[in-house]
Amino acid sequence: AQSVTQPDIHITVSEGASLELRCNYSYGATPYLFWYVQSPGQGLQLLLKYFSGDTLVQGIKGFEAEFKRSQSSFNLRKPSVHWSDAAEYFCAVALTSGTYKYIFGTGTRLKVLA
Amino acid sequence: DAGVTQSPTHLIKTRGQQVTLRCSPKSGHDTVSWYQQALGQGPQFIFQYYEEEERQRGNFPDRFSGHQFPNYSSELNVNALLLGDSALYLCASSSGPDTQYFGPGTRLTVL
Repeated sequence: AQSVTQPDIHITVSEGASLELRCNYSYGATPYLFWYVQSPGQGLQLLLKYFSGDTLVQGIKGFEAEFKRSQSSFNLRKPSVHWSDAAEYFCAVALTSGTYKYIFGTGTRLKVLA
Repeated sequence: DAGVTQSPTHLIKTRGQQVTLRCSPKSGHDTVSWYQQALGQGPQFIFQYYEEEERQRGNFPDRFSGHQFPNYSSELNVNALLLGDSALYLCASSSGPDTQYFGPGTRLTVL
């Protein structure tokens, strides 16, 4: 069965430090890949997406992600974290079978220390 | 351009009752999906509607049903509510094989 794994439930970084959030997926083909952010009590906001082509994708708010086929990974990075980045981050895959049902990971909660 | 809107924002029901949640998709979007997000979990796919028909369904019981109207808005109905149905219900809209945009959700509490 297809699955998405986010191994880190919680991550704490200091403001200004770099950030990497991990995401691994299990799927036979290369799916569509997404990172979403969710602030407390809010819906999901799209940060970036990968469909094909250049494996390093840029998103909003200074985030980027790199797709590595050999590792089935799509890790999210940011060179310098701001206090406002504190939120929950979800990696998701969409199966390219004609319909676009998303499978989400369990999320990584980011805490930013001042 | 309004994004995806959902109503109500919060809802409290008791076990055994029925509930209807509503969603208006982003302008120009014709596909609506519903997700359930339990506390501390990622969203789980319930079902997807396109052209007023259920196109795909996740692993949810028949108590969960939906509808899509000609203007592409959608409803999620849950019958015979259980305590475990307490969650944030998210609606997402899209147009074709591309990104889904999520609404703010409806927080359902079942007592």
